[in-house]
Amino acid sequence: QSVLTQPPSASATPGQRVTISCSGSGSDIGGNAVYWYQQLPGMAPKLLIYKNNNRASRVPDRFSGSKSGTSASLAISGLRSEDEADYYCAIWNDSLTGHVVFGGGTKVTVL
Amino acid sequence: ELQLVQSGGGLVQPGGSLRLSCEASDFTVSNNYMNWVRQAPGKGLEWVSVIYADGTTYYTDSVKGRFTISRDNSKNTLYLQMNSLRVEDTAVYYCARDRSLVDQYGMDVWGQGTTVTVSS
Repeated sequence: QSVLTQPPSASATPGQRVTISCSGSGSDIGGNAVYWYQQLPGMAPKLLIYKNNNRASRVPDRFSGSKSGTSASLAISGLRSEDEADYYCAIWNDSLTGHVVFGGGTKVTVL
Repeated sequence: ELQLVQSGGGLVQPGGSLRLSCEASDFTVSNNYMNWVRQAPGKGLEWVSVIYADGTTYYTDSVKGRFTISRDNSKNTLYLQMNSLRVEDTAVYYCARDRSLVDQYGMDVWGQGTTVTVSS
């Protein structure tokens, strides 16, 4: 059980917007940068968002991240079929036993 | 092109050992923070270990005393030596470069993953 809580699934039709939440506490999300990773089926994870709200290189602007207090979220607007994947939030915190902590992951389905 | 190419892995009996390798291209392993991350079948991502640029190492509790992260600077390669393997270590293992502590950029280069199966 991760300290970062994500919904197990989310879905929307093509063109719509989907938002994924990542909830934590003051000792994890509250005090650290949040990262988001996309894992397409059968592939290695890929960095999407770094330092809460910055898109990694070559990531489309349909993806956006935000953070407020002890929660973070990833939004995908103009949803496309190729966005169907698992999405993980993560933090780095060397005060925790696990220096990198991942959320449980959210499976996004494009209906 | 920035790249991590993994090798090693396979099927091993409980109590056995394996060594995973992760060779970097176009960047220097020893100048970076490098992680091992694993994913059990049908499960999420789990951080396993990190080696800092200064050689400091950390491990998740479940592998402490059994796994060792290391690097060979001459080969620009990261390793994970896994001893006393357990069924619950069965997973796809990924290596990844981590810039979180440098410029907060995150894990930006990942290996392709290698499968470790621990079974009798």
